[in-house]
Amino acid sequence: SQQGEEDPQALSIQEGENATMNCSYKTSINNLQWYRQNSGRGLVHLILIRSNEREKHSGRLRVTLDTSKKSSSLLITASRAADTASYFCATVDSGAGSYQLTFGKGTKLSVIP
Amino acid sequence: SQTIHQWPATLVQPVGSPLSLECTVEGTSNPNLYWYRQAAGRGLQLLFYSVGIGQISSEVPQNLSASRPQDRQFILSSKKLLLSDSGFYLCAWSVAILVQPQHFGDGTRLSIL
Repeated sequence: SQQGEEDPQALSIQEGENATMNCSYKTSINNLQWYRQNSGRGLVHLILIRSNEREKHSGRLRVTLDTSKKSSSLLITASRAADTASYFCATVDSGAGSYQLTFGKGTKLSVIP
Repeated sequence: SQTIHQWPATLVQPVGSPLSLECTVEGTSNPNLYWYRQAAGRGLQLLFYSVGIGQISSEVPQNLSASRPQDRQFILSSKKLLLSDSGFYLCAWSVAILVQPQHFGDGTRLSIL
């Protein structure tokens, strides 16, 4: 079953603008991860944020996590045409022995040159 | 460095024919291995995961099976394909720790005619 729900489903911006994607989830989590998928390719891991962290940065990426609201956001600053892809959040439940990532349906980002 | 290979990239099969998709990982030992299916415009559905040779966990009832004959080899099979088996199949690996990210292959686009 899908836990993460990304919002918006699709986002179109001009190159140089910032892109913000949101993710909501339902259960208690151990960590939340963001992945990127170029069309017809596999997923690439972008960033992992643990349940006891509130914000994390990696290059032009900034991820926030609000466990009280069960939500996360991914901000891509100064977007480039090469950032065009689908972005997925995925959660690892806090239940013992959970090896599974539960993915949302993704946000399709288009960056227009 | 670790790499994951998945083949074939595309496959067109008639209904009722058998299936074998292979995934191998290099550069790591005793990885967790995963098979996912992605429907068009959707997130990923976990089909199988394995924490060791011969150990397979199935997440959804289906027409498919998985095997792990060697430490770094994961095979997805079917004896008789259904139209509903069409989709994009992704293999992934992670180190054997719960919170680590997963690393994906480039996927197999399976079309059933």
